[in-house]
Amino acid sequence: QVQLQESGPGLVKPSETLSLTCTVSGGSIRNDYWSWIRQPPGKGLEWIGHIFYSGSTNYNPSLKSRVALSVDTSKNQFSLKLSSVTAADTAVYFCARVYSYGGFDPWGQGTLVTVSS
Amino acid sequence: DIMMTQSPDSLAVSLGERATINCKSSQSVLYSSNKKNYLAWFQQKPGQPPKLLFYWASARESGVPDRFSGSGSGTDFTLTISSLQAEDVAVYYCQQYYTTPYTFGQGTKLEV
Repeated sequence: QVQLQESGPGLVKPSETLSLTCTVSGGSIRNDYWSWIRQPPGKGLEWIGHIFYSGSTNYNPSLKSRVALSVDTSKNQFSLKLSSVTAADTAVYFCARVYSYGGFDPWGQGTLVTVSS
Repeated sequence: DIMMTQSPDSLAVSLGERATINCKSSQSVLYSSNKKNYLAWFQQKPGQPPKLLFYWASARESGVPDRFSGSGSGTDFTLTISSLQAEDVAVYYCQQYYTTPYTFGQGTKLEV
């Protein structure tokens, strides 16, 4: 079955760019939409955006000016870049497939990114 | 944005008893053309990613025990656990996918 795994630095300095990659295994990245979702420690879930394998994107307006998603079909990966980060961007970042019937399934295990100098 | 509001924020239920979690959307998530409610429910246990329980408000995802049920339409939805088991302790989230930005409820913490 499809599995997702996030990777990237766990510590980012304020004002710098957070970069994460999600590797999809057990299936092709083609034919589906792929999302990033984050969860600040002890808080709820926030949808960041999604990308289709063709490269078309949809971003949360609250983050749109700072977010860029990309996809690499040759590596079965998609990526997140979030610029000008602050402490408020400290969160567990999850990648997930947008389930064809709705919701998100499956999810990666998540990776904690801390913004601190 | 569609705001999702869950109630209660936390809930303590005895083992074997019924647990009910409510979710209200700030606008209808019922798509008129196909009569489907664009609402999902997730279960999140500590240190784990959320797990999809229901889509279309009441369609149970494969592998989800039938003690879990989802109901509701339009703006008001309910997740019910008919007989609480110890492994059901978790935070539960509703989420609308009627329109972007997709939004989640604040979560309901279910305890024994």
